[in-house]
Amino acid sequence: DVVLTQSPLSLPVTLGQPASISCRSSQSLVYSDGNTYLTWFQQRPGQSPRRLIYRVSKRDSGVPDRFSGSGSGTDFTLKISRVEADDVGIYYCMQDTPGPPWTFGQGTKVEIK
Amino acid sequence: EVQLVESGGGLVQPGGSLRLSCAASGFTFSRRWMTWVRQAPGKGLEWVANIKEDGSEKYYVDSVRGRFTISRDNAKNSLYLQMSSLRTEDTAVYYCAQGRGCDVWGQGTTVTVSS
Repeated sequence: DVVLTQSPLSLPVTLGQPASISCRSSQSLVYSDGNTYLTWFQQRPGQSPRRLIYRVSKRDSGVPDRFSGSGSGTDFTLKISRVEADDVGIYYCMQDTPGPPWTFGQGTKVEIK
Repeated sequence: EVQLVESGGGLVQPGGSLRLSCAASGFTFSRRWMTWVRQAPGKGLEWVANIKEDGSEKYYVDSVRGRFTISRDNAKNSLYLQMSSLRTEDTAVYYCAQGRGCDVWGQGTTVTVSS
């Protein structure tokens, strides 16, 4: 099974400053169709998860452009260019390469300093 | 607007059964894979199962295979998760999500397995 390892697990940030979360996979997430199936979710306190980024870098509709995804192969990053109070929550990466099992990272808790 | 509304959660004793439902609207249900994901109290997300558009393919995480059954009724725009032989470690909020990539999530339904 593919294991996703996120770091850091806790990320205190100052409002207006950038933040970066790493997600490393135990094997390449490049599928035979040429796509890379790495997705990022945000879960605000008390809410359901919300997808932010899919296929490494494609931002979902309504997601602010201060969120960006990058990476390839086994190393991926979610960046927030300028953290706002609304960004507090837990961020998860997930690999959804066609074929079971689908797996999530452990989650990274973003909080304001 | 895509909406997913889960129901059917509750308190059940170990070894018991429960059936979760997810009512979908705002998209062509019969054209999308559907997924169940759970989250134990204070823990992270765990993929549980998913099902192809026509129900011909179903996949499960090892810990529930043989105990849980995912199904769908495209005429009713509904997704189901039949859970049996429940264990205390199945206690979680269960979410249904649109697609294999979990594009959109419901609000979740809470399952508590306890004596």
